[in-house]
Amino acid sequence: QKEVEQDPGPLSVPEGAIVSLNCTYSNSAFQYFMWYRQYSRKGPELLMYTYSSGNKEDGRFTAQVDKSSKYISLFIRDSQPSDSATYLCAMSMDTGRRALTFGSGTRLQVQP
Amino acid sequence: GAGVSQSPSNKVTEKGKDVELRCDPISGHTALYWYRQSLGQGLEFLIYFQGNSAPDKSGLPSDRFSAERTGGSVSTLTIQRTQQEDSAVYLCASRNSGGFGNTIYFGEGSWLTVV
Repeated sequence: QKEVEQDPGPLSVPEGAIVSLNCTYSNSAFQYFMWYRQYSRKGPELLMYTYSSGNKEDGRFTAQVDKSSKYISLFIRDSQPSDSATYLCAMSMDTGRRALTFGSGTRLQVQP
Repeated sequence: GAGVSQSPSNKVTEKGKDVELRCDPISGHTALYWYRQSLGQGLEFLIYFQGNSAPDKSGLPSDRFSAERTGGSVSTLTIQRTQQEDSAVYLCASRNSGGFGNTIYFGEGSWLTVV
């Protein structure tokens, strides 16, 4: 069993829809949670970063962490075709020394 | 440029040959990571350099893989006697010192194909 599970998709939605992307994890020591967006043939770029449980909002993006359920989510409101990409969740136990553990990514397609 | 620079961007090599992949991190970034991304897979951690500390090599999949970082800046990932299963995108990332509040910046990757 992988430490971090993520549905690979593809997830196809119409423009303007609310998108929900999720990851589950097994290691309760994870404290830092991130979402990365990766366009085709590009490196991942950081979208959202949260510490421990709770919500964080940034524009059209909201990240949620539920440590009791070992479940994290990324919501995208008013989705745009430019949001079409692969979204990777990532998490870590500490603040910097160790690398991030990534999910396998969910491919999102927003249809115009 | 201001971002993480990787070269070559694409490499096709014959099975059994050695390859070297280069990463030039953002100037002043003390932490440098190498990851591998296979088709449909997440990012697999390979190695981590932080300043002058001993690197964390715990993710290297075999002794055919090695990496060095010279002068605390440029890093080279070397794969000896390449195998077809080594075909993947090799991503380098760098980060400034401090916690994860500091963003990790990825390069665009080196796409390796072993034939």
